[in-house]
Amino acid sequence: GAVVSQHPSWVICKSGTSVKIECRSLDFQATTMFWYRQFPKQSLMLMATSNEGSKATYEQGVEKDKFLINHASLTLSTLTVTSAHPEDSSFYICSARDPGSFGGGGYTFGSGTRLTVV
Amino acid sequence: KQEVTQIPAALSVPEGENLVLNCSFTDSAIYNLQWFRQDPGKGLTSLLLIQSSQREQTSGRLNASLDKSSGRSTLYIAASQPGDSATYLCAPPRGYNKLIFGAGTRLAVHP
Repeated sequence: GAVVSQHPSWVICKSGTSVKIECRSLDFQATTMFWYRQFPKQSLMLMATSNEGSKATYEQGVEKDKFLINHASLTLSTLTVTSAHPEDSSFYICSARDPGSFGGGGYTFGSGTRLTVV
Repeated sequence: KQEVTQIPAALSVPEGENLVLNCSFTDSAIYNLQWFRQDPGKGLTSLLLIQSSQREQTSGRLNASLDKSSGRSTLYIAASQPGDSATYLCAPPRGYNKLIFGAGTRLAVHP
């Protein structure tokens, strides 16, 4: 199947700073990518849908000004956590529909980014 | 709104047992349902995808069934091995392409 590369795998930042997380589709084009957040021992919660060339759509309760999403090309989406606070510490994962998986109906996930805000 | 429940929440078994992991969802108007595994601190690995027109899918020792009308899917793991230890997540979509996840079943298979 296709590969989604996520970088960095972990990051520690100071409270009040911003952190950017990259999600790249390595061997396919992804017009749509998805960003999830996962707190310890909890499930993945969809944060937003990243649309190439247009604005992201955010799930209810997710602050769009805090979690900035940019999908400037068909292979790259970025999530920027602005003015990070300790409560933003979490595991962030991106995904994209994999055209080669299960007849194009499957999704491939990045390896995730562990964000710790101190 | 799609809500997903997975039972049991955790499972600890000796090696070799056949296992049943259950997933129920509230919105049965789904195109497909995908099962994933997640190792601690890692991303998700896709296991199986069942199309809405199918009743089951098999991959090696894994078999997943889908009953749309009752909003249920079951993942069977045959002859479990320590390497199967992970969290198993089911994900029916909400709408066309937004995967909604259950809390998962944490599986521990001990030698």
